[in-house]
This record gives sequence, C-alpha cells and structure tokens, in this order.
Amino acid sequence: GQNIDQPTEMTATEGAIVQINCTYQTSGFNGLFWYQQHAGEAPTFLSYNVLDGLEEKGRFSSFLSRSKGYSYLLLKELQMKDSASYLCAVMDSNYQLIWGAGTKLIIKP
Amino acid sequence: GAVVSQHPSWVICKSGTSVKIECRSLDFQATTMFWYRQFPKQSLMLMATSNEGSKATYEQGVEKDKFLINHASLTLSTLTVTSAHPEDSSFYICSARLRENEQFFGPGTRLTVL
Repeated sequence: GQNIDQPTEMTATEGAIVQINCTYQTSGFNGLFWYQQHAGEAPTFLSYNVLDGLEEKGRFSSFLSRSKGYSYLLLKELQMKDSASYLCAVMDSNYQLIWGAGTKLIIKP
Repeated sequence: GAVVSQHPSWVICKSGTSVKIECRSLDFQATTMFWYRQFPKQSLMLMATSNEGSKATYEQGVEKDKFLINHASLTLSTLTVTSAHPEDSSFYICSARLRENEQFFGPGTRLTVL
C-alpha cells in the first residue's frame, strides 16, 4: 500500500531551527510537496521536490532523497507565525497526491 | 500563484437538508479539480476527482449518491452534500489542477450540520 510517515507533533523555540522529516512508500513518484496549514485554513504551498537534493526558499528549505524515500523540511529563524501543521504529500504515478497526516509544529517564545 | 475560490466559506444547516459548495478557478482553466474533506486534527482525505465534462471518480468509501459532484465548466466544480447529517460536519476543501504537478487549493468551506 501507499504510506507517508511524518511525526505527529514537534516543539521548537522562536529563533531556532527545526527539521520535519517525511518518509514515503508510494506506487510511482512524480514529486514531493510540502504544505503549511494554519488551523481552520486550507493548505498553502511551500515547496516541491522532484530531483534529489536541497531546494532553498528563504527561511524554508526542502530536501529529497528518492532512493531512501525520504524528505525533510527545514525551517530557520523560527517565528511565532510558523506555528502550524506541515503536510508532506507525494504525487504518485497517476499524478494523485498521497497525503501524510501532518506534523503540528508548536513554537515557544 | 493561481487563485481558487470556494463559496460559501462556512455554512450551518439542519439535518436532512442539502448543501451545495462551489469551487472556482479564477484565473486559469482546470480540467481536473479535487474535493477533500478534513476532520479536526486529521489530514486531508481525498473524496473525489472531478473531471470537466465527465463523471467524477470517487474514492473508496465515499458515497457518490450522497456527495454529488458536477464539473460543468473548466472553471467551476460543485459538491452537493445531500441529506446532510451531523457526521458530515467537516472542513471541505477543493483544489484545481493547473499542470500535472501543480494544484492550488481553495480556502475551504466549514460545514456544520445541526
């Protein structure tokens, strides 16, 4: 079956760095997405990786290793507004998104 | 990025009534739109894939006679929850596909069935 695993909850301190991991097993691979979702709102797009390596976008970076079925989202210089759920999703061979359960990130002052 | 709207943003209805939710791609044409449901503290669950001009494809366990989907144009898909019950209360989110690896989400519709 298809499976996306990510931690349920993480806590970090304002100004620090946090890494949210995601491992996946899917039928085919057409890219991995990270979305941010604040409570009561729809997800917003953060990053897309289809090739191995690190993609940097401001304070956020995303890494992919296709051979290991592994990705992480790295958030630097954490701000209180970064408190949200972070969803990992993989696009399978049918171009359908398979979603992880999300990681709730709690930022403490 | 591309913009997707949903209407209404929230709705409260009585048990047994039907509710229609609209999803529009405002600045692009989408041959494919997706409908998701999200219960509190859970991830998105794909309900169905809506293709313009053809019948929607429903995920296993989703009743197609209860959740009616119409994708009448390249910019509009509707989801009608028929004979709604309290257990249908949820956050319904649509997304529209611009390209194969690009989907844009609507803001979501919070449905509360009394």
